[in-house]
Amino acid sequence: AQKVTQAQTEISVVEKEDVTLDCVYETRDTTYYLFWYKQPPSGELVFLIRRNSFDEQNEISGRYSWNFQKSTSSFNFTITASQVVDSAVYFCALYGGSQGNLIFGKGTKLSVKP
Amino acid sequence: DSGVTQTPKHLITATGQRVTLRCSPRSGDLSVYWYQQSLDQGLQFLIQYYNGEERAKGNILERFSAQQFPDLHSELNLSSLELGDSALYFCASREGSSGNTIYFGEGSWLTVV
Repeated sequence: AQKVTQAQTEISVVEKEDVTLDCVYETRDTTYYLFWYKQPPSGELVFLIRRNSFDEQNEISGRYSWNFQKSTSSFNFTITASQVVDSAVYFCALYGGSQGNLIFGKGTKLSVKP
Repeated sequence: DSGVTQTPKHLITATGQRVTLRCSPRSGDLSVYWYQQSLDQGLQFLIQYYNGEERAKGNILERFSAQQFPDLHSELNLSSLELGDSALYFCASREGSSGNTIYFGEGSWLTVV
């Protein structure tokens, strides 16, 4: 069975702190995709990144970076120098060929205080 | 803007009623997914269509049904509504064979009173 675990339910930080959101996944598929989405208070789901299972390179996009490690089945997300606008719920999700749809973790609510 | 369009954005209706949620996928995307997000259940997959055909079914109630039309837009029909059906319903579309990114619409907020 496929599963995504986001153990951190809520995180609160002060602006400019770095914060890492953890994601651990389970799958038997050899080819799969991992995603992060951001859900701000307005409710929409905003795509942040997709990572293929065969590409373990870490990625950096501005203040965002992602660390994908197949050995530990983890796909962690770090926000550097957090800002109030980063306050949102962040979802990690898994897409595998055998399932054909996105399996979401329960999300991590990030609050960034000024 | 993800390119996925959902209407209506907000809907309030009474128990026992029926509603239809509409979704237009991104241009060129053939796959459409429907998800339900409620406070206690998180994001739950309901159903997927690909080029007009049902491809996968998740935790979709028998009172709910969906279809995808030849122009690729999709509709999710919710009938005999109950208070517990109040949720945010998302539609998403998946990139074609060149990629597998799944983009979500802004969602339809359904409140059943």
